[in-house]
Amino acid sequence: AQTVTQSQPEMSVQEAETVTLSCTYDTSESNYYLFWYKQPPSRQMILVIRQEAYKQQNATENRFSVNFQKAAKSFSLKISDSQLGDTAMYFCAFMTNFGNEKLTFGTGTRLTIIP
Amino acid sequence: EAQVTQNPRYLITVTGKKLTVTCSQNMNHEYMSWYRQDPGLGLRQIYYSMNVEVTDKGDVPEGYKVSRKEKRNFPLILESPSPNQTSLYFCASSFPGGARNEQYFGPGTRLTVT
Repeated sequence: AQTVTQSQPEMSVQEAETVTLSCTYDTSESNYYLFWYKQPPSRQMILVIRQEAYKQQNATENRFSVNFQKAAKSFSLKISDSQLGDTAMYFCAFMTNFGNEKLTFGTGTRLTIIP
Repeated sequence: EAQVTQNPRYLITVTGKKLTVTCSQNMNHEYMSWYRQDPGLGLRQIYYSMNVEVTDKGDVPEGYKVSRKEKRNFPLILESPSPNQTSLYFCASSFPGGARNEQYFGPGTRLTVT
């Protein structure tokens, strides 16, 4: 079974600074997908960024980028020029390439951006 | 507007009183799923459906039932709710293998069982 670990329950950073959220996972599969979801106080789950395991290039979406280290099974999220609207719970998630499109989530990191 | 809707958004009930949380999507997605979110545990899958009349258990199915009679709807049924089912519930849908493998989540249902 796959597991996803987020070792930072809470983080805070000053507005405009850069912050990195950590995520590690465990799987025996070679082809899979990784995601970061954002959950603001509204509780809505919002997809931030995704990475396909067979792609070596790290995904980027505007101020959000990932550092995907497949051999180390690590998938960290970097938020540049952080904004107050980035304050949220962030979940790392894993999906296999076969059958059930189940997302296996980590326990989340609560990020607070300080004005 | 493409969306997943859930009703009710908030529900307080008593132990043993049957309830249904509805989920509906307007994107013609084949795949639908239910998750529960608990502090310190993240989101965990309860049940999923690959298509009409095709459902299967997720990681935490005990105490729940689902049905998929229509493509757009995937209700979650708690026939005898217990306090340990107090949680935040999310419905999600997707087109398997679709662009970005993105699952669309509903707004969540906060359930309290006393």
